Amino acid sequence: DAGVTQSPTHLIKTRGQQVTLRCSPKSGHDTVSWYQQALGQGPQFIFQYYEEEERQRGNFPDRFSGHQFPNYSSELNVNALLLGDSALYLCASSLREGINIQYFGAGTRLSVL
Amino acid sequence: DQQVKQNSPSLSVQEGRISILNCDYTNSMFDYFLWYKKYPAEGPTFLISISSIKDKNEDGRFTVFLNKSAKHLSLHIVPSQPGDSAVYFCAASVAGANNLFFGTGTRLTVIP
Repeated sequence: DAGVTQSPTHLIKTRGQQVTLRCSPKSGHDTVSWYQQALGQGPQFIFQYYEEEERQRGNFPDRFSGHQFPNYSSELNVNALLLGDSALYLCASSLREGINIQYFGAGTRLSVL
Repeated sequence: DQQVKQNSPSLSVQEGRISILNCDYTNSMFDYFLWYKKYPAEGPTFLISISSIKDKNEDGRFTVFLNKSAKHLSLHIVPSQPGDSAVYFCAASVAGANNLFFGTGTRLTVIP
């Protein structure tokens, strides 16, 4: 049973560019959440997708957008990259119903130069 | 504003002894709490959770205690093993909302 998979593992971009990160949820899960983890901090919630719609959003600007596909996989897009966007981006999947245990992928390390 | 706090950045414990990791929260609406363990180059791995209707949950060597009046929870690992060395995150959520609020983590080192 494959867990949560994310791609790419590492990414280097320059300021002003745009980036797309991808996530495949754990088998059987229908909900995908994205988190940003800066160095030395805990993960911070960006947004959550269920039934192909953004259901909940954290305190992140509109430069951060996402999408969920019919197979429950998801993408995180960040436009107009800033140096401060450098972080580990984590995807988590869960079941919409029931207790809220989220299972995380290994993350994508984004470096903005 | 950090709603979940882990005030000890690091903890060292001898193998075989008890490890106690602490977590405080400020939002009284939190009703579900989780502990995650994170190894380098891996994502956080779910360890154990507790609902606010309980004050203790046990799973093998891991026990989580919740003190709602103090807005405090702790994770006990007994006995500690070198493979437990990792960063431990405390997380909390509010009923009806599915996002998790995380603390900043505690790095546990178990010395053989």
